[in-house]
Amino acid sequence: GENVEQHPSTLSVQEGDSAVIKCTYSDSASNYFPWYKQELGKRPQLIIDIRSNVGEKKDQRIAVTLNKTAKHFSLHITETQPEDSAVYFCAALANAGGTSYGKLTFGQGTILTVHP
Amino acid sequence: GAGVSQSPRYKVAKRGQDVALRCDPISGHVSLFWYQQALGQGPEFLTYFQNEAQLDKSGLPSDRFFAERPEGSVSTLKIQRTQQEDSAVYLCASSFLGPYNEQFFGPGTRLTVL
Repeated sequence: GENVEQHPSTLSVQEGDSAVIKCTYSDSASNYFPWYKQELGKRPQLIIDIRSNVGEKKDQRIAVTLNKTAKHFSLHITETQPEDSAVYFCAALANAGGTSYGKLTFGQGTILTVHP
Repeated sequence: GAGVSQSPRYKVAKRGQDVALRCDPISGHVSLFWYQQALGQGPEFLTYFQNEAQLDKSGLPSDRFFAERPEGSVSTLKIQRTQQEDSAVYLCASSFLGPYNEQFFGPGTRLTVL
């Protein structure tokens, strides 16, 4: 089955700096990669996702890049703000069998702290 | 409209007790997922429902875990004879049908087994 590794486990930055979180996956059939943000005691919320037919996607201060050959993808947050502090999870979905649902495999999470 | 809701939010059980965790998905969402999130870890897939049909239960850790969604809406995750290793947050998520649709998560139920 799919295995997703996420690094670093913790990341501390100053407000205004950029933050980068990296994930690798094992199943070459994976073709969908969402990123979730989970604030302390709250539910995970989707912040951005990317399909395997594109290499990069941006949404304001957040971007995700995908390298299918190397089987890794990254989350980039620019101009970080204290409210960006949370746990971030990457995930991968393999749909080679053409199933009707998305069985996600999550990384271990990155605790991001943005210091004012 | 309302998001995914789960109840109870917190549950403390003595080892050996049975527990039942409830999930109310977003109205109209055909797909419903259960995940287990251990402390400091990412969610791990337990089981998937498409309407009332349980299409995938490959992530259920043992036969003590049972899930149902009899009318294709509300779902219940039942854990029999709870063990300490069952302590975790149990997350429910729902989505429209299709593998690439956003999964909307509930707030979770934190289960502590003493």
